[in-house]
Amino acid sequence: GQNIDQPTEMTATEGAIVQINCTYQTSGFNGLFWYQQHAGEAPTFLSYNVLDGLEEKGRFSSFLSRSKGYSYLLLKELQMKDSASYLCAIMDSNYQLIWGAGTKLIIKP
Amino acid sequence: KAGVTQTPRYLIKTRGQQVTLSCSPISGHRSVSWYQQTPGQGLQFLFEYFSETQRNKGNFPGRFSGRQFSNSRSEMNVSTLELGDSALYLCASSSLQVGTSLPDTQYFGPGTRLTVL
Repeated sequence: GQNIDQPTEMTATEGAIVQINCTYQTSGFNGLFWYQQHAGEAPTFLSYNVLDGLEEKGRFSSFLSRSKGYSYLLLKELQMKDSASYLCAIMDSNYQLIWGAGTKLIIKP
Repeated sequence: KAGVTQTPRYLIKTRGQQVTLSCSPISGHRSVSWYQQTPGQGLQFLFEYFSETQRNKGNFPGRFSGRQFSNSRSEMNVSTLELGDSALYLCASSSLQVGTSLPDTQYFGPGTRLTVL
């Protein structure tokens, strides 16, 4: 079957760094996406990884290891506005997105 | 470019009724996907349309259906509503990966929040 695991909730302090992990088992792999979703709003695209390694985009970085079925999203210099849910999604062999349940990130001052 | 738009934003229906939701994709995007999101659940894939054809379908009962028009706008319909259909329904559009008919990054609309009483 297809499975994507993320921690349900994480807490971090403003100004700190946090790493949100995502492990997956899917039928085929055509890329991994991270989205941010604020409460009551639609998900917004953050990053896309299809090859192993680290992709950096400002304060956000995403890492992928296809052999380990593992990715993480790294958020640096945390701001209060980063409080949101972070969704990991895999594009499977049918080019369909399979979604994790999301990680709710709480930022404390 | 204008983003993905969905109408209506909020809807209240009673059990047994049917509902139609509308989605207008980003200009030039021909792939439209629909998702259901409930508290504590990940996004559940309903279906994807491309060039007026359903290309992929999730594991939802036949009460959930959709269509896409020649201008890429899409509608989804839910018949015989049940309490469990209360959810946020999200539409996402994407362009194609260069040189292919495969979907690229998905961009979401604001969603329609459906409440079934």
